[in-house]
Amino acid sequence: EAQVTQNPRYLITVTGKKLTVTCSQNMNHEYMSWYRQDPGLGLRQIYYSMNVEVTDKGDVPEGYKVSRKEKRNFPLILESPSPNQTSLYFCASSSLPGQGAEQYFGPGTRLTVT
Amino acid sequence: TQLLEQSPQFLSIQEGENLTVYCNSSSVFSSLQWYRQEPGEGPVLLVTVVTGGEVKKLKRLTFQFGDARKDSSLHITAAQTGDTGLYLCAGAPFSGGYNKLIFGAGTRLAVHP
Repeated sequence: EAQVTQNPRYLITVTGKKLTVTCSQNMNHEYMSWYRQDPGLGLRQIYYSMNVEVTDKGDVPEGYKVSRKEKRNFPLILESPSPNQTSLYFCASSSLPGQGAEQYFGPGTRLTVT
Repeated sequence: TQLLEQSPQFLSIQEGENLTVYCNSSSVFSSLQWYRQEPGEGPVLLVTVVTGGEVKKLKRLTFQFGDARKDSSLHITAAQTGDTGLYLCAGAPFSGGYNKLIFGAGTRLAVHP
């Protein structure tokens, strides 16, 4: 089954404790993104990757890091989480270049930072 | 800053009613997408509209892209309980990244039996 998987689905952590949210897709997509979803703000792009070893900042990259060492995986790293990073996070992938490509989303990771 | 405003934010209706959800911006988009998101899941693409004035139908759902490519609407005929969910519009600006999308905040629809 074609899918994007994320782990963990739920995470409660404390301020300053480094964490990684994993993302993997089995569709051989070149393009992957991370979004955060907050009430009233919609989905905002954090980082994206056009291919292995090629990443760039989205609209809200502060406090986040990413890496793309393999085509299928695109982990999101919070080196020192803060309460304002409490949010619902989605990983997405797409196969087509260009704007408006269909995004395939993972099921989401709900993160709470206390 | 490019923004997409969706209205209404919340909509609660009875099964069988018709409804329209709006997505508006002052910016022009090269294309616009509609996604539906259910609790505990990621958004799923419903449709992409590309041409100004374009109308697409997906069973009981009708999507329209404004002539000026700044707005879009989603009309549902004879709503069913299975239509319940968060509807998101997402626009692709002409200037942006490889697949840059600007998302609206969404319309949360509840259809009651």
